[in-house]
Amino acid sequence: SAVISQKPSRDICQRGTSLTIQCQVDSQVTMMFWYRQQPGQSLTLIATANQGSEATYESGFVIDKFPISRPNLTFSTLTVSNMSPEDSSIYLCSARGGRTSGPDYEQYFGPGTRLTVT
Amino acid sequence: AQTVTQSQPEMSVQEAETVTLSCTYDTSESDYYLFWYKQPPSRQMILVIRQEAYKQQNATENRFSVNFQKAAKSFSLKISDSQLGDAAMYFCAYRSANQAGTALIFGKGTTLSVSS
Repeated sequence: SAVISQKPSRDICQRGTSLTIQCQVDSQVTMMFWYRQQPGQSLTLIATANQGSEATYESGFVIDKFPISRPNLTFSTLTVSNMSPEDSSIYLCSARGGRTSGPDYEQYFGPGTRLTVT
Repeated sequence: AQTVTQSQPEMSVQEAETVTLSCTYDTSESDYYLFWYKQPPSRQMILVIRQEAYKQQNATENRFSVNFQKAAKSFSLKISDSQLGDAAMYFCAYRSANQAGTALIFGKGTTLSVSS
């Protein structure tokens, strides 16, 4: 299985600022994803992080607000830009596929980053 | 577009009893995967069980089993001999098998409480 770590685990930020969340996988993976989850709610896909190219965003999410990088097969970052209180949420990194992460259909998740915007 | 529906926001069960969590989905695809994930208060998503749509046999993992009804597009999770550690939010999820890059689509979740 793949082990995913995220930094920071939580943060409190002022509105108008930006926060970059890092996601590190302990093995090379094919796919990486970013989700948003309100406490007690379901997970909503923000985007698919593509290695070496621009991320693929879901409806309602745009690159200017959530720029994503994926420089290699084990690392990705999500930036939440120009934050407002509505961005307060849990952000989860997820990964799938790779030599040591089990069958391609297994998808693993990081522990999440709890963001509070004041 | 595919959708996943969990109609039970909350469920409760006593230790050692059995509980069934419901999930229905909507898709026009014939080849896909279904999953149940568990999310305890620690927030870590844990894969509980998975089912390939082409398999008629229901998946089983120790105390966890599913009732997969492809025609009815139903995928329920049965937890036998419930334990206090089973208390968590459970998510049903769908993924297309036709497109390699697709992500999981989640239902709204069911919060399971276990009492002693």
